[in-house]
Amino acid sequence: AQSVSQHNHHVILSEAASLELGCNYSYGGTVNLFWYVQYPGQHLQLLLKYFSGDPLVKGIKGFEAEFIKSKFSFNLRKPSVQWSDTAEYFCAVKDSNYQLIWGAGTKLIIKP
Amino acid sequence: SQTIHQWPATLVQPVGSPLSLECTVEGTSNPNLYWYRQAAGRGLQLLFYSVGIGQISSEVPQNLSASRPQDRQFILSSKKLLLSDSGFYLCAWSVKGRINTIYFGEGSWLTVV
Repeated sequence: AQSVSQHNHHVILSEAASLELGCNYSYGGTVNLFWYVQYPGQHLQLLLKYFSGDPLVKGIKGFEAEFIKSKFSFNLRKPSVQWSDTAEYFCAVKDSNYQLIWGAGTKLIIKP
Repeated sequence: SQTIHQWPATLVQPVGSPLSLECTVEGTSNPNLYWYRQAAGRGLQLLFYSVGIGQISSEVPQNLSASRPQDRQFILSSKKLLLSDSGFYLCAWSVKGRINTIYFGEGSWLTVV
């Protein structure tokens, strides 16, 4: 069965540091990949998604993610984080059965 | 534009009491509908999904049930809550027939005491 792994449960960074959150999935077929963010007290929001084409995907708020098919990875990056990026980040994979499978999430804390 | 609403936003219920969380979608028709749960310290878990009125698929055995009495209404229920049912419940929808983004509601915090 398809599974999604997010490598870090908690990440603490200082403002202006660079960010990379890991995401790996297990399914070898055609997938669609997503990163969602949940800010404190708010519902989930879509950061970016990959369906096909350029494996480097740019999303909102300066985030980007790179799909590396050979590594089954879809890591989220941001060159310089801000305090307002403090949130929980979820990687998700939708497989050919149209079901969305989620990682456990990574809590990101940015120190001002 | 499409919107999704779920309620109540927060709920504190005693063990053994019933539960009803309701979700409605507006601005679209014949959506796929989903109920997810996020338990403390864990990721999102798919509980139920529905491709049409009266059609419910359960992903995990549990104390909960779901119903879809109307095209854009999805209800999560329990006859007798357990402590382990506490968590954050999310209703979601997606466009049928396309690999597409899934859209979430605001969520409902359930605390079973």
